[in-house]
Amino acid sequence: DTGVSQDPRHKITKRGQNVTFRCDPISEHNRLYWYRQTLGQGPEFLTYFQNEAQLEKSRLLSDRFSAERPKGSFSTLEIQRTEQGDSAMYLCASSSTEMNTEAFFGQGTRLTVV
Amino acid sequence: RKEVEQDPGPFNVPEGATVAFNCTYSNSASQSFFWYRQDCRKEPKLLMSVYSSGNEDGRFTAQLNRASQYISLLIRDSKLSDSATYLCSTSGNTPLVFGKGTRLSVIA
Repeated sequence: DTGVSQDPRHKITKRGQNVTFRCDPISEHNRLYWYRQTLGQGPEFLTYFQNEAQLEKSRLLSDRFSAERPKGSFSTLEIQRTEQGDSAMYLCASSSTEMNTEAFFGQGTRLTVV
Repeated sequence: RKEVEQDPGPFNVPEGATVAFNCTYSNSASQSFFWYRQDCRKEPKLLMSVYSSGNEDGRFTAQLNRASQYISLLIRDSKLSDSATYLCSTSGNTPLVFGKGTRLSVIA
């Protein structure tokens, strides 16, 4: 499968725990995006990378959120000290940097904080 | 003002109807425009890119109005299978951002 892959697909965690999600983009794509989506809303942009450089992180929801893409391939999104309000679908997408090329999404990681 | 705004709907239309969605964007530097389709509990998938000259793909037509900063999607001869949420998105000197989506229900 050469699409965007996210792991895990589902995560249930207790409040206060840390969680880490992984995204493997399409191999030739150098842009990688993270979004959060809650019911009835569109994907909310969190951060993105071009290769290993994180180009925008001011929209990460709080300092509990961080993301890395150390070798310009896969990326991880970490949420520390999870809160119930963090429950959502976390979507990863990748694209090339050419104009008018779309982003392809992974199937997402559904986080439930109990 | 939100970067991308859409009427959330829902739009409930009978089979065979024509339906149109609009989307406005605030960043005049936006360069790329897309419509995505999202089914319930699934990831968004590209429906079509939107080009300056407008473009058509079967029953779907997308238009871009840069002067007024909006894009539109027209669906002709609606099918039951068109029921989904339609997301408008833009990018340019900013990362790819999305509207909240417009929900469409096509009714038999």
